[in-house]
Order: sequence, then structure tokens, then C-alpha cells
Amino acid sequence: RKEVEQDPGPFNVPEGATVAFNCTYSNSASQSFFWYRQDCRKEPKLLMSVYSSGNEDGRFTAQLNRASQYISLLIRDSKLSDSATYLCVVRHGSGNTGKLIFGQGTTLQVKP
Amino acid sequence: GAVVSQHPSWVICKSGTSVKIECRSLDFQATTMFWYRQFPKQSLMLMATSNEGSKATYEQGVEKDKFLINHASLTLSTLTVTSAHPEDSSFYICSARERYGSSSYNEQFFGPGTRLTVL
Repeated sequence: RKEVEQDPGPFNVPEGATVAFNCTYSNSASQSFFWYRQDCRKEPKLLMSVYSSGNEDGRFTAQLNRASQYISLLIRDSKLSDSATYLCVVRHGSGNTGKLIFGQGTTLQVKP
Repeated sequence: GAVVSQHPSWVICKSGTSVKIECRSLDFQATTMFWYRQFPKQSLMLMATSNEGSKATYEQGVEKDKFLINHASLTLSTLTVTSAHPEDSSFYICSARERYGSSSYNEQFFGPGTRLTVL
């Protein structure tokens, strides 16, 4: 079983739609949580951190449920430029020993 | 934001040759650097973690004699794929983390990646 699981998609949605991605992680010792965005043949870029209380950044809302070990990302009013792969990422440990564990990613294709 | 560069951005080599990939933190000192590998349609897999001035820590299943990592300075880490074979063809990405105590310590900054093709 993968440590971070995501539905690979693809999710094909029209512009303006709202789309939600889910992610589960297996290691209860995970301490930090993130969503990264990766465009084709490029490096991943941090989209947002995910906090226990939930957090929002413009059209993007992230939620964390530690009890269920579940993370979500909601994108409202999708834009064509949102087309990318969204990676759910968790970090184990802290200090210099912390390392990021990546999910497979969920591919989003926003169509006109 | 902090910038991490990689060189080369892509490389094609013959089977059996060795390839060196450089990862540099351009405007900050990286006490810790990470090397990842990503196969098509798969997630980034951590290969090893290197701390400046010490030996790298390799993840399970990664051959340390095949993937040589050197982190000789606070701004440079190198990954050498020795005796490369077609199955080593992949996207190699480095990531750097600033020294403990800095304001961006908890963030990892990724390089643009190196696409290796072994013929």
C-alpha cells in the first residue's frame, strides 16, 4: 500500500467548475501536509500548506482531518491555467530529518 | 523566493557511461539537499538525503554505489549515476532546504529537474 494515496484521475472539468481532490495518508506520525502543483515535465511547486483548522488561498481551500488521515483540496471557479497535476505531500519528522513523501498526483484538465 | 538550479536540464548518454548532475542553491545556504526520481505518471520517489559535509542517507532500495551523492558545500550537491543503463532513464529532481533557524527553514525548494535518457 502506498503511503500517500490519491485518485490519479484525470479529472476533466469545464471552466468555472468546482473540483475537489482527496488524499489519504497511512503514517499517523506525519506532521506537516502540503499540496504541490506539477506541470508537465516540470518540477513540483508548492501550492499551499494544509493546516488542521483548514485554510484558504483565493480559489483554493485545503482541509485536513487527522483522525481520518485525510486531506482535501477544493478549487473553485476553475481556470484553464489550473490544468496540471496536483500532488498531495506529507512530511515525517521535523528538523533535519524531516522528509517529504509524495502522492502519485491527481491530473486536472480544465476545458473551455 | 529561493532559487535552486540544476545542470544539465537534460542529457542523453550511452549505456555504461556515468552522468553527473549538479544541484545548486543560488541565493541561500542549503544544509540539506534531497534527490528524487520520477518515472512517467508516477510520484516523486526520494532517493537520498544529504547534509553538507556528511555522507548521504539513502532510501531503501537505492544503491549507494550506483547513485553517488556529494554535498561538499552549502550551495552544491552532485548526483552521479554510475554505469547508467536504460532503466535509469528518468526525471531527477533535487530539492534544497535552508539552514535551521532561517525563516523559510520548513520549505523545500525544488530544482527544475534533469531528464536523463540512457540509450
